[in-house]
Amino acid sequence: GNSVTQMEGPVTLSEEAFLTINCTYTATGYPSLFWYVQYPGEGLQLLLKATKADDKGSNKGFEATYRKETTSFHLEKGSVQVSDSAVYFCALSRNNNDMRFGAGTRLTVKP
Amino acid sequence: GAGVSQSPSNKVTEKGKDVELRCDPISGHTALYWYRQSLGQGLEFLIYFQGNSAPDKSGLPSDRFSAERTGGSVSTLTIQRTQQEDSAVYLCASSSPPARGYTFGSGTRLTVV
Repeated sequence: GNSVTQMEGPVTLSEEAFLTINCTYTATGYPSLFWYVQYPGEGLQLLLKATKADDKGSNKGFEATYRKETTSFHLEKGSVQVSDSAVYFCALSRNNNDMRFGAGTRLTVKP
Repeated sequence: GAGVSQSPSNKVTEKGKDVELRCDPISGHTALYWYRQSLGQGLEFLIYFQGNSAPDKSGLPSDRFSAERTGGSVSTLTIQRTQQEDSAVYLCASSSPPARGYTFGSGTRLTVV
């Protein structure tokens, strides 16, 4: 079945450090890929998405590139801030009705 | 409404009692989803509605769980004879095609004591 696997956390970084959160997927066909973010005490918010191979999704300084050859959609940010502390979820969907999420990666950014 | 609204935000119930969780999706969103988020774990898919029908109920963990949606809008998730392992945050999301991602509510934190 369709699934995503993302790196286990927690991840702790200092402010302005480089962030990578790995995500790989298993799916038939050509799914859309997403990153969601959950800030403390809040619901999930869509961070970015990519709908086809080689697409790059970007938002708030975060980027992820849809790599079909490696079935990956790693999340990156060049310089993290304390306000980026949250739980990040990788997800995939084939037809918008079957979104499947990874286990989530908790990021803590220290000043 | 402007966003997905869930109520109550917190619910503490005694083991064996029934609970109802409510989700009010974004106006006009035809699809509605329920997920469960247990402590330290990812999101577990429960059920999906398209309009008032539920083409995918595969995620409901047991027959104690049921959900309905009326008028293509509000949905209720009912858990009968609650157990301690039902304690989790129950998240609702809605979407409207074409695929743009889901909009989530803030969730209902259920604690069974």
